[in-house]
Amino acid sequence: SQQGEEDPQALSIQEGENATMNCSYKTSINNLQWYRQNSGRGLVHLILIRSNEREKHSGRLRVTLDTSKKSSSLLITASRAADTASYFCATASNNNDMRFGAGTRLTVKP
Amino acid sequence: GAVVSQHPSRVICKSGTSVKIECRSLDFQATTMFWYRQFPKKSLMLMATSNEGSKATYEQGVEKDKFLINHASLTLSTLTVTSAHPEDSSFYICSQTRGNTEAFFGQGTRLTVV
Repeated sequence: SQQGEEDPQALSIQEGENATMNCSYKTSINNLQWYRQNSGRGLVHLILIRSNEREKHSGRLRVTLDTSKKSSSLLITASRAADTASYFCATASNNNDMRFGAGTRLTVKP
Repeated sequence: GAVVSQHPSRVICKSGTSVKIECRSLDFQATTMFWYRQFPKKSLMLMATSNEGSKATYEQGVEKDKFLINHASLTLSTLTVTSAHPEDSSFYICSQTRGNTEAFFGQGTRLTVV
């Protein structure tokens, strides 16, 4: 079963704006990962944040993790049309299986 | 390069036939691999955990006789969709994880049952 919810389900912004997506989960985790998926394609790993980390950066991506609230956010700064995709968070627990959130469909308009 | 190779990427089969999907770990001996299913515009749902040398562990609601998983070696897990029906049409994807690190996913298999 899915781990939690992502918010918003769909997001439409203009190129150059920032996009923020949120993810909540229910159980204890080892790490949380964000993936992107272009329509009908496989998953692309974006960033991993461990349960003892609170914030991580990678290029235009910034991820936060609040284990007390069981939530994470993904910020994409200075968005580009090529960022249009679905974004999923996924949590990994002790047995390494990954549970995915519902995903956010991001549309960046040129 | 890819560390998990999934084959085939697309398959169209007739209703009632069986389809086998292979997932190979290219550079790692994976005692555990995971199979997911994704419906259009939906998220990935974990179907089962494939364990090398033992029975797979299925998630609630997933029919083990419908979705046969075999993990006979440390580098290969297979998912067979038996007696496929149109409602089995979906995107199937395998993955492996290596400790507390990112998961590695296969390229996915788009199954269409006609």
